[in-house]
Amino acid sequence: GQNIDQPTEMTATEGAIVQINCTYQTSGFNGLFWYQQHAGEAPTFLSYNVLDGLEEKGRFSSFLSRSKGYSYLLLKELQMKDSASYLCAVRDRRSGGYNKLIFGAGTRLAVHP
Amino acid sequence: EPEVTQTPSHQVTQMGQEVILRCVPISNHLYFYWYRQILGQKVEFLVSFYNNEISEKSEIFDDQFSVERPDGSNFTLKIRSTKLEDSAMYFCASKDSIDQPQHFGDGTRLSIL
Repeated sequence: GQNIDQPTEMTATEGAIVQINCTYQTSGFNGLFWYQQHAGEAPTFLSYNVLDGLEEKGRFSSFLSRSKGYSYLLLKELQMKDSASYLCAVRDRRSGGYNKLIFGAGTRLAVHP
Repeated sequence: EPEVTQTPSHQVTQMGQEVILRCVPISNHLYFYWYRQILGQKVEFLVSFYNNEISEKSEIFDDQFSVERPDGSNFTLKIRSTKLEDSAMYFCASKDSIDQPQHFGDGTRLSIL
């Protein structure tokens, strides 16, 4: 089966750093993706990892450990506009090249001044 | 930057009526998807489409649902006889190759009365 866990809510201060964790248990794994979703809007792609290690993209970094079934998204220099839900999604290898995404429930991040 | 476009942004329909949700994927993309998100819940996979045929569908995607790519640009989701529980945000997504991330449209909010 598929199970993806991430905290429901987090709060942080403007200018700070926040780490959002995601653990997963899947039958077939072919990469982990992070999306940002503002309320009522589409998920927007942030970062992805296929191999173990850290991927850095500006203020956002994502880390993956496949042996531990664990990933995190690191947001630096937080801004008020970073207040959103952050969705962890696993790409299902069993789908072959079509690779559906299986989403976690999302972490709602609130950034305060 | 090219984007996935969806119309309409909001659709209100009486229960039992047919509804067609429309999507224009990014022009050079080859893999197409529909997801839905019931208010306050996680994003759920419905169907993937490649090379003019369905490649995978979830248990949600029953006989009431169908997809079509009627021409070189549009990708549609049809629900034949809508139910109250079909009320959700429906997202179309596309990608250009196996390893690339999926890009989502802004969604159609479907409200069944």
